[in-house]
Amino acid sequence: KAGVTQTPRYLIKTRGQQVTLSCSPISGHRSVSWYQQTPGQGLQFLFEYFSETQRNKGNFPGRFSGRQFSNSRSEMNVSTLELGDSALYLCASSPTSESYNEQFFGPGTRLTVL
Amino acid sequence: QKEVEQNSGPLSVPEGAIASLNCTYSDRGSQSFFWYRQYSGKSPELIMFIYSNGDKEDGRFTAQLNKASQYVSLLIRDSQPSDSATYLCAVNKGAQKLVFGQGTRLTINP
Repeated sequence: KAGVTQTPRYLIKTRGQQVTLSCSPISGHRSVSWYQQTPGQGLQFLFEYFSETQRNKGNFPGRFSGRQFSNSRSEMNVSTLELGDSALYLCASSPTSESYNEQFFGPGTRLTVL
Repeated sequence: QKEVEQNSGPLSVPEGAIASLNCTYSDRGSQSFFWYRQYSGKSPELIMFIYSNGDKEDGRFTAQLNKASQYVSLLIRDSQPSDSATYLCAVNKGAQKLVFGQGTRLTINP
């Protein structure tokens, strides 16, 4: 069974631009969570989608948004990029919402904002 | 006070010894607890989860939970150099989200 895939793996943007990251969950998994990982703040929850609905959102500004499609694939968008948005963005999928014991992470997208 | 706290380390343990990793959490309503291992440059990988007070063993790994003390730990027996990684403690407070600690960097010395 294929794992969680994320595209692109690396991205370089400049301040003020916007970016869209993609996540394809494991086949059969309907929940996708997004996290931001930085050396200073660690791994922080961004949002979770289940059956195309956002179930919860972390403490991030409205510049961070996401959506989920009917095939469970998810995208997250960051508008008006800031230097502090440089991070590893991880998505994780699980069969249902809150089935964290069956949650698997993708390889991440490394975003650098210049 | 952070919601989930871990010593950042580094924690250095000789090969073959027991590595003990600790985590405390602030919300008494927390329901489930997870340990992830993250190798440098890789994504986190779930290695243990525990829901009830007491010990849970899986191979060389033992998770221990004490809800009264709001404390969860991970023991790694017979530590191997391949166990060198950052270990992340995560807590499910409900409301569809996991809260992670900062992680403890563990080094196993041959």
